[in-house]
Amino acid sequence: DQQVKQNSPSLSVQEGRISILNCDYTNSMFDYFLWYKKYPAEGPTFLISISSIKDKNEDGRFTVFLNKSAKHLSLHIVPSQPGDSAVYFCAASYAHSGGGADGLTFGKGTHLIIQP
Amino acid sequence: KAGVTQTPRYLIKTRGQQVTLSCSPISGHRSVSWYQQTPGQGLQFLFEYFSETQRNKGNFPGRFSGRQFSNSRSEMNVSTLELGDSALYLCASSIGQGHQPQHFGDGTRLSIL
Repeated sequence: DQQVKQNSPSLSVQEGRISILNCDYTNSMFDYFLWYKKYPAEGPTFLISISSIKDKNEDGRFTVFLNKSAKHLSLHIVPSQPGDSAVYFCAASYAHSGGGADGLTFGKGTHLIIQP
Repeated sequence: KAGVTQTPRYLIKTRGQQVTLSCSPISGHRSVSWYQQTPGQGLQFLFEYFSETQRNKGNFPGRFSGRQFSNSRSEMNVSTLELGDSALYLCASSIGQGHQPQHFGDGTRLSIL
């Protein structure tokens, strides 16, 4: 049972255009969402996060949108640059009543390719 | 600022052996989590330690265990290794209070022959 889904295994975008990566989740208890970027032979690098009390968070070229009613979030990268070519993972967690957050539940990733 | 450090980077073992992996978190981070990444299952949560106590646990057999020391460094142990344990093992650290992002190391690539 995949609780976090990234339905596009790959996405190709021209340099300078907008990249939109999508993620759906099924567990309504999730209240914190993150995006990570991963290059081969490296660990995931944190990009941006959003709490369920917000519907948008921006950091430079990266914006994450959260639609709680649709259980959907998206990552927008504007403008896309060659160095953005990587695998992007969506992740989610929820706070335990006993304190702290559960481990992250990851999607399977989307391979973003920026074409020159 | 130094990132999360995992040692060793690569390890080759045979079935039935046991292995210990090490993780040094970012300075000031008190929470350490471990994940397993495989081509079929993706990234899966193993367990999380905070202040030397296991706070959360994923759905893995008891052969997978860990511990955390007073300086927040953590070790993960896998006993009676199976071929299916071949994976990239990733460690992540965070401040540990409230919703804070986890920061990952580059992982230990474990191969079982």
